[in-house]
Amino acid sequence: NAGVTQTPKFQVLKTGQSMTLQCAQDMNHEYMSWYRQDPGMGLRLIHYSVGAGITDQGEVPNGYNVSRSTTEDFPLRLLSAAPSQTSVYFCASSYGRNYEQYFGPGTRLTVT
Amino acid sequence: QKEVEQDPGPLSVPEGAIVSLNCTYSNSAFQYFMWYRQYSRKGPELLMYTYSSGNKEDGRFTAQVDKSSKYISLFIRDSQPSDSATYLCAMSPNTNTGNQFYFGTGTSLTVIP
Repeated sequence: NAGVTQTPKFQVLKTGQSMTLQCAQDMNHEYMSWYRQDPGMGLRLIHYSVGAGITDQGEVPNGYNVSRSTTEDFPLRLLSAAPSQTSVYFCASSYGRNYEQYFGPGTRLTVT
Repeated sequence: QKEVEQDPGPLSVPEGAIVSLNCTYSNSAFQYFMWYRQYSRKGPELLMYTYSSGNKEDGRFTAQVDKSSKYISLFIRDSQPSDSATYLCAMSPNTNTGNQFYFGTGTSLTVIP
């Protein structure tokens, strides 16, 4: 099992550009989530999905879109990048609600 | 007030010491408790997962949950330099809707050889 994979590992964007962060898991997990991690702020939930076709907002959803067309993939789209979105982004998955989450290696994003 | 509070440290101990890491929380609905280890520039790695109150041991690691005090702990025995990392606590309520996990901000630990 590859577990949770994320691409790219690093990305630099200019303000106003859009991009998609990819996340995939091969554990047949229903639950998938996107977090951002900033110094002193911990992990903050952006969006999550409880299964294919179902997504919901987390704590900090503004400026981000998600979709879940398959169980395996959960991409995160930045619509118009802003410097405030400079962060490390983690994707995570779990078998179901109340099960432990497994994290990907992260994407380091810088917006200039 | 944050849902989950965790002392950020940093914590520095000599090799072989017993380390105690702690989190407090305010939501009595939390039923599931996790500890993650995060090395620098890596993703969080699950260490321990417990349900409700009590203790759970795995090798040098022991997780304790005291729901009456809303307090959880992770003990590391015979600490090693390879234990140097940031430790995150996480909690999950026993509900069917809404946010699934709530995280502490992490405690940075350095074990000195």
